[in-house]
Amino acid sequence: DGGITQSPKYLFRKEGQNVTLSCEQNLNHDAMYWYRQDPGQGLRLIYYSQIVNDFQKGDIAEGYSVSREKKESFPLTVTSAQKNPTAFYLCASSIVSGGLEAFFGQGTRLTVV
Amino acid sequence: GDSVTQMEGPVTLSEEAFLTINCTYTATGYPSLFWYVQYPGEGLQLLLKATKADDKGSNKGFEATYRKETTSFHLEKGSVQVSDSAVYFCALPISSNTGKLIFGQGTTLQVKP
Repeated sequence: DGGITQSPKYLFRKEGQNVTLSCEQNLNHDAMYWYRQDPGQGLRLIYYSQIVNDFQKGDIAEGYSVSREKKESFPLTVTSAQKNPTAFYLCASSIVSGGLEAFFGQGTRLTVV
Repeated sequence: GDSVTQMEGPVTLSEEAFLTINCTYTATGYPSLFWYVQYPGEGLQLLLKATKADDKGSNKGFEATYRKETTSFHLEKGSVQVSDSAVYFCALPISSNTGKLIFGQGTTLQVKP
């Protein structure tokens, strides 16, 4: 079945560490996105990529980095520069042309310990 | 800029009650509109969509009509079930050529037996 796979589901990080969240899709979508969700809030866009080897910052990119070396993969690194990283992270993908819905993974819950 | 406003929650209903969750938007032109649902601990799933004015999206007993006159896309269901308990997000594309979405803050629905 086609879909988006995020791993791990739960992740614990010590302060000062970088961690990488995985996102893989087999939908053959060109565009991929990372969103952050905090309790009681909507989703905020961290980074997005419309094509391999290219990506753009979203609204809250500081303290995060991404890469897009393959169409299927869009990993997110939460760096030590991110001061408040505890959150639920959602990866999504879509066809680039406008007006079409995004498909989401199951999310990764990151907790700083 | 484009924006989405949802009614604040939480919304608590008894089983078989009628549900309305309000969503209004500001946007340039007539973008597609979406409702997503998020069950506890999971990612977002597309619930329904409408791609042009006066369209009605429907799925699993939920409906929403794209009303350009009132810039609204209210979600309704005639008889809710306990299994409908979730967080509901209204969303629209930021622009036609990136696939980026902006989301309302989400409305938590709790249905009691």
